[in-house]
Amino acid sequence: GNSVTQMEGPVTLSEEAFLTINCTYTATGYPSLFWYVQYPGEGLQLLLKATKADDKGSNKGFEATYRKETTSFHLEKGSVQVSDSAVYFCALSDLGNTPLVFGKGTRLSVIA
Amino acid sequence: GAVVSQHPSRVICKSGTSVKIECRSLDFQATTMFWYRQFPKKSLMLMATSNEGSKATYEQGVEKDKFLINHASLTLSTLTVTSAHPEDSSFYICSAYPGQGIYGYTFGSGTRLTVV
Repeated sequence: GNSVTQMEGPVTLSEEAFLTINCTYTATGYPSLFWYVQYPGEGLQLLLKATKADDKGSNKGFEATYRKETTSFHLEKGSVQVSDSAVYFCALSDLGNTPLVFGKGTRLSVIA
Repeated sequence: GAVVSQHPSRVICKSGTSVKIECRSLDFQATTMFWYRQFPKKSLMLMATSNEGSKATYEQGVEKDKFLINHASLTLSTLTVTSAHPEDSSFYICSAYPGQGIYGYTFGSGTRLTVV
């Protein structure tokens, strides 16, 4: 079955540091890939997505590239801020109308 | 676009009572909604898939008689936790699929349920 593996946290960084959160997936078809962010006490917000190989999703300084050859969708940001502290979930969907498959989430803490 | 409203955001109830959580799609029709449960510092566990006008499909291990799901219209799905117990305390989140994948999957803001 489909699955998503992402690096375990927590990740603690200083403000303005470079962020990478690794995500790899296993899927039978050609899934769409997503990164969601969850701030404390809130639901999930779509951060970015990519629907086919070599697509790059980007938003709020975050970006991730759909790499079919390495089945990866790593999240990166060049300079993190304290306000980026949250839990980040990598997810995939191989068909519309089917539930997202989530990774376990990575907690990011950014300190000033 | 593609906003999902979930309420209540927090609820405290006594053991043995039932609690209803609502999930509404505000600006689109949601033929399918998903209900998740999230334990502290854990990922989201899919509980069930709710399809408008038909019975929900529950994941293995989820008690359908305890977690009643109703999707009576294209904009509303409800999850009722019946005869709640302290172990049902959790964060419940709904997600709606707009049907065309334009916005991806949209999530409600979640409901923190505490059973005392």
